Amino acid sequence: KAGVTQTPRYLIKTRGQQVTLSCSPISGHRSVSWYQQTPGQGLQFLFEYFSETQRNKGNFPGRFSGRQFSNSRSEMNVSTLELGDSALYLCASSWSQGGNLTGELFFGEGSRLTVL
Amino acid sequence: GQQLNQSPQSMFIQEGEDVSMNCTSSSIFNTWLWYKQDPGEGPVLLIALYKAGELTSNGRLTAQFGITRKDSFLNISASIPSDVGIYFCAGPRVGSGAGSYQLTFGKGTKLSVIP
Repeated sequence: KAGVTQTPRYLIKTRGQQVTLSCSPISGHRSVSWYQQTPGQGLQFLFEYFSETQRNKGNFPGRFSGRQFSNSRSEMNVSTLELGDSALYLCASSWSQGGNLTGELFFGEGSRLTVL
Repeated sequence: GQQLNQSPQSMFIQEGEDVSMNCTSSSIFNTWLWYKQDPGEGPVLLIALYKAGELTSNGRLTAQFGITRKDSFLNISASIPSDVGIYFCAGPRVGSGAGSYQLTFGKGTKLSVIP
C-alpha cells in the first residue's frame, strides 16, 4: 500500500510569492491534515479536511489556505510568502469514521519550503 | 492554550541502555500518542494510548497513559543505533471532537545512541 505522497519535496521561493503544495493520501483515507514544522515552534496544526470540507483549522493567518478534492487529494496554498514561512510542511492522512480512534495519522515525508 | 511539555529535550545514551522520556500537560488529554521522526522523514506513529492507566508495548517500546490524564511516559529498552531520532508525544486538542485529527505535539526528545 503506497504511503502519503507529498510534492514537491523541496522548493525555494522569495518573499511575496505564493506556493502550492500537494498531498496524495493513502488509498482509502478520507481525512487529510496539514502541519507546519519549524525548529522554534515544532509541529503546529494548520487544517484538516474530510470529504472536501475543512473540519478544523489551526491558528494561522488567512494567507494559509487549503482544499480537498473528491479523490481525497489535498493542496495547501500560502500566499504573500514571508521569511517566517520557511518550514517543513507535513501532510498526514487517516481513515476517519468519526469514531473514537483519534490521532492515528500517517505522515508524508514533507515539503521543505525555503523563503528568501 | 494546550501545551505538551516533553523532557528531556535531548539525550545521549550508550547502545544497550534503557531510555525513559515523558510528556506532561496542564490540561487533560483523552488520548496520548507517541511518534518518532527520522531525519528527512515524517513522523511515524509508535504507540497510541486511549485509557487512563493503560500500559502498551510495541516491541522494545512501552508507553503508559498517566492516571491523571495529564502525563504519559515512553520507555525504550536495550537501545540500538536505529532508535536515533526525535520522539514526539501528541494528543487531540480538547474540543476538536471525536474522530478529529487536530493534534497538539510536544517539542520532542532528540535521542542519540552511541555505539
